Amino acid sequence: DGGITQSPKYLFRKEGQNVTLSCEQNLNHDAMYWYRQDPGQGLRLIYYSQIVNDFQKGDIAEGYSVSREKKESFPLTVTSAQKNPTAFYLCASRGGGGYSNQPQHFGDGTRLSIL
Amino acid sequence: GIQVEQSPPDLILQEGANSTLRCNFSDSVNNLQWFHQNPWGQLINLFYIPSGTKQNGRLSATTVATERYSLLYISSSQTTDSGVYFCAVINRDQAGTALIFGKGTTLSVSS
Repeated sequence: DGGITQSPKYLFRKEGQNVTLSCEQNLNHDAMYWYRQDPGQGLRLIYYSQIVNDFQKGDIAEGYSVSREKKESFPLTVTSAQKNPTAFYLCASRGGGGYSNQPQHFGDGTRLSIL
Repeated sequence: GIQVEQSPPDLILQEGANSTLRCNFSDSVNNLQWFHQNPWGQLINLFYIPSGTKQNGRLSATTVATERYSLLYISSSQTTDSGVYFCAVINRDQAGTALIFGKGTTLSVSS
């Protein structure tokens, strides 16, 4: 089945530790996105990538890093510089070219907590 | 940047009732999506509707782009409709970029 796979579903981070969240899609979509959701809130953009080897910061990029070496993969690293990482992280992808307005589709998310 | 406001913030219904959720946005858009987030956190695409009207079973949506609002209608609600409903848009001048989300409407349907 085509879709977006996020792993792991649950992740715990120790103080001072970097952790990486995986996002893989087999939809052949060009664009991929990372959003963060805090309790009772809507989603906010961390990073997005419209094409391989290129990505842009979103509204809350501080303390996070990404890479886009392959079209199907867009991993997110939560670094020790992110002081409040506890949240629900959602990855999305979108078909069409760089400036397409086709709908975005979401994975099932990763819940990150501090130990 | 563009602002997205959803109303009401909370809605409590008995099974079988109808409801209307509203999304107002502050600028022109060329992408508007409605999502349902279930209790497990999954974000389900309901509609891609930058303009016009669409229907899918008991759900329908209308976007009046010139007046900058969208409505989501839920008819004959069921307990499985419970969850949070989000409206999200992309500003017309920022094609291809990320969605801007409202804060959502939390719907609780009891039997």
